Amino acid sequence: AQSVAQPEDQVNVAEGNPLTVKCTYSVSGNPYLFWYVQYPNRGLQFLLKYITGDNLVKGSYGFEAEFNKSQTSFHLKKPSALVSDSALYFCAVRDDDYKLSFGAGTTVTVRA
Amino acid sequence: DTAVSQTPKYLVTQMGNDKSIKCEQNLGHDTMYWYKQDSKKFLKIMFSYNNKELIINETVPNRFSPKSPDKAHLNLHINSLELGDSAVYFCASGDIANQPQHFGDGTRLSIL
Repeated sequence: AQSVAQPEDQVNVAEGNPLTVKCTYSVSGNPYLFWYVQYPNRGLQFLLKYITGDNLVKGSYGFEAEFNKSQTSFHLKKPSALVSDSALYFCAVRDDDYKLSFGAGTTVTVRA
Repeated sequence: DTAVSQTPKYLVTQMGNDKSIKCEQNLGHDTMYWYKQDSKKFLKIMFSYNNKELIINETVPNRFSPKSPDKAHLNLHINSLELGDSAVYFCASGDIANQPQHFGDGTRLSIL
């Protein structure tokens, strides 16, 4: 079965600093990887996905993610974090039967 | 326009009762999903329907019964509610192969 791991429960950064949220994956075939963000009392919002092609994927709200096959990683990045980026971030992988398996989530806090 | 809408947003009820949560999507997607998010924010898929046909049925107590009257609607009925059913339930929709999934804002179920 496919799975993802998010090694950090929490990430704290100062506004204006780079933000990185880590994700590693385990798949038996080609990986289909996703990042979602969840704001308080809201559903998940799609940020970006990797299916194939360029290893650097650009997404919504200035986020990007780098797919690294040798390290089996798909880290989410933003060059300059905003206070409004404070939220819960989920990495996910699509299984062969098309269901998404989510990581445990990483809470990002950006301080002013 | 709300893409995926769930009702009710909050549901507070007694143990042993039966309740239903409704979900509607106006995105024209063929596939709809139910997820459960527990108190630790861990997300797990429960069910998925593709064109009114059940395609994913995870290990969920049979007190939970999904129903899809048409591809734009997926309802969740829960019988004999238990304390452990307290959680946030998310509905989502998507195109099965391409993703991403679009989520509703969730139904917070509290069992007294």
